[in-house]
Amino acid sequence: ELKVEQNPLFLSMQEGKNYTIYCNYSTTSDRLYWYRQDPGKSLESLFVLLSNGAVKQEGRLMASLDTKARLSTLHITAAVHDLSATYFCAVDPGNQFYFGTGTSLTVIP
Amino acid sequence: DVKVTQSSRYLVKRTGEKVFLECVQDMDHENMFWYRQDPGLGLRLIYFSYDVKMKEKGDIPEGYSVSREKKERFSLILESASTNQTSMYLCASSFWTERGETQYFGPGTRLLVL
Repeated sequence: ELKVEQNPLFLSMQEGKNYTIYCNYSTTSDRLYWYRQDPGKSLESLFVLLSNGAVKQEGRLMASLDTKARLSTLHITAAVHDLSATYFCAVDPGNQFYFGTGTSLTVIP
Repeated sequence: DVKVTQSSRYLVKRTGEKVFLECVQDMDHENMFWYRQDPGLGLRLIYFSYDVKMKEKGDIPEGYSVSREKKERFSLILESASTNQTSMYLCASSFWTERGETQYFGPGTRLLVL
């Protein structure tokens, strides 16, 4: 059974601090996606990573992919309150998307 | 602008009722998906469709059926609603490009089955 595991599941961090969210998956996949979900709202695409070593950055968020280790990271730099949300990774081994359980991030002043 | 709409944001139904959830996308995407989202379980795929009149089972199809009569519309049907189908239901659409496949999600339907 294909598994996509994120950790931590819950993260409370202070403004200005750095942190990394991890996404491990159990199958071969060259494609990995990160999404953001605000409370009560739907999912919004953040990053599309299409190959080993891919790195994408948008503002204070940076995502990377290591297909050999089956690991993606979402790094948060100098967190601000606006980043509070739930973050999901998803892998696409070719037939359908498999989502992680999500990481609920709260940034506190 | 990409748009996926779902017929209801909130729905309350009784056990045994037949429930229809509608999803419409205006982007001419081939692929459409139905997920349910539950706390601690992430998103789980119920059904998906790669073309009109085509459907494929996802990971948790039991108790659900789907219909895709037109490219832009993908319906999820709960034949006889049960309390364990209380959940948030998310529809998505996508298409393949050389840059991968990004799924665009609707706003979700929060279903309560009493």
